[in-house]
Amino acid sequence: DTGVSQDPRHKITKRGQNVTFRCDPISEHNRLYWYRQTLGQGPEFLTYFQNEAQLEKSRLLSDRFSAERPKGSFSTLEIQRTEQGDSAMYLCASSLAGDGELNSPLHFGNGTRLTVT
Amino acid sequence: DQQVKQNSPSLSVQEGRISILNCDYTNSMFDYFLWYKKYPAEGPTFLISISSIKDKNEDGRFTVFLNKSAKHLSLHIVPSQPGDSAVYFCAARFTSGTYKYIFGTGTRLKVLA
Repeated sequence: DTGVSQDPRHKITKRGQNVTFRCDPISEHNRLYWYRQTLGQGPEFLTYFQNEAQLEKSRLLSDRFSAERPKGSFSTLEIQRTEQGDSAMYLCASSLAGDGELNSPLHFGNGTRLTVT
Repeated sequence: DQQVKQNSPSLSVQEGRISILNCDYTNSMFDYFLWYKKYPAEGPTFLISISSIKDKNEDGRFTVFLNKSAKHLSLHIVPSQPGDSAVYFCAARFTSGTYKYIFGTGTRLKVLA
């Protein structure tokens, strides 16, 4: 069991540049989530996919942010024209959803820490 | 609007004693509640969960209690160990229409040896 994998672990970029993060979920998991966490706060929901369909996006997700999960496996999160306020830990999580599910915890990766200078 | 609240930012407990972490929520449409532990530079790790049809769930040293009328859940750790020192987040998921999870702001637990 390799768990949820995120790449890169750290990214430093200059304001105005584009960045892309990758997430590989646990292989049999069909739901994939992106969260953002800043210091002293809990994870903040950004978006989630079931298979390749993006089912929900947070209102906080500006049009500079886009996420894809083209084949229902790995996912990418792109931030265009980065701003200093985008500096945060970006967390990916996955879960297994099925008929009649009751208990389906999220399993998180170790995150990508973005610093925008 | 913070729908899941952890009002205690920090808690210190002696090793061997009970740690009680609290969480309040405002939305009665939540049906599934979870606790996560987070160490620095790592992602949150799932600890224990409870469905809204139950009021208690136990797993080893960890017990979660749910009081739906008060919209309150708590995590009990007995006995507390120094390795339990971490930030603990509670989370809640809606019953239908969306499967997103909403997290609290966390409580930093320090277990003193």
